[in-house]
Amino acid sequence: QLQLQESGPGLVKPSETLSLTCTVSGGSISSGSYFWGWIRQPPGKGLDYIGSIYYSGTTYYNPSLKSRVSISVDTSKNQFSLRLTSVTAADTASYYCARRDLVGGDYFDYWGQGALVTVSS
Amino acid sequence: QSVLTQPPSVSGAPGQRVTISCTGSSSNIGAGYDVHWYQQLPGTAPKLLICDNNNRPSGVPDRFSGSKSGSSASLAITGLQAEDEADYYCQSYDSSHVVFGGGTKLTVL
Repeated sequence: QLQLQESGPGLVKPSETLSLTCTVSGGSISSGSYFWGWIRQPPGKGLDYIGSIYYSGTTYYNPSLKSRVSISVDTSKNQFSLRLTSVTAADTASYYCARRDLVGGDYFDYWGQGALVTVSS
Repeated sequence: QSVLTQPPSVSGAPGQRVTISCTGSSSNIGAGYDVHWYQQLPGTAPKLLICDNNNRPSGVPDRFSGSKSGSSASLAITGLQAEDEADYYCQSYDSSHVVFGGGTKLTVL
């Protein structure tokens, strides 16, 4: 059974960089049929797509965050990572990593449990 | 402001049927992109409920069904149960990137 697990600091200061890692187990991140994505959810609000990466390093980002976001992959560790620069309180959210199935209609079929990141001094 | 519009809330009594709409436009659902639905129980991660407009992943009860017509899609839940109380999100594709609806809170009365 595929599992995804987010890890990283739960508190980040304003103007600094948020960094999270997603570790994939029970399957290979190098499988050719999938992208690996990040989605966030501010407290009490809806889901917001951040971006996705293919095992080869190809990335797609939400245009609204593109200038501040970077997603990378480490196939040797079966991990992918998120960096979000110049954070503000508006970036406080639960951050989810998920597998994006492209064979079907482009949906997220496996999700991590989420990591709450608070931006505060 | 999401490009996919969902009602903020819906409600129904146990055993009833409820529907949740997801209204898009010619640049997303109306352009032929598939619609997917997620269920988010309180305090948990979203779970894929319906994929490719009307397909249920393994393990999802057949009380849940999806449909799509024109620039809109709908999620229907029949035989409503207390455990269905959750937030529901639609997802599609718009202008080359993934988009989610704003979410609908389902209350079981």
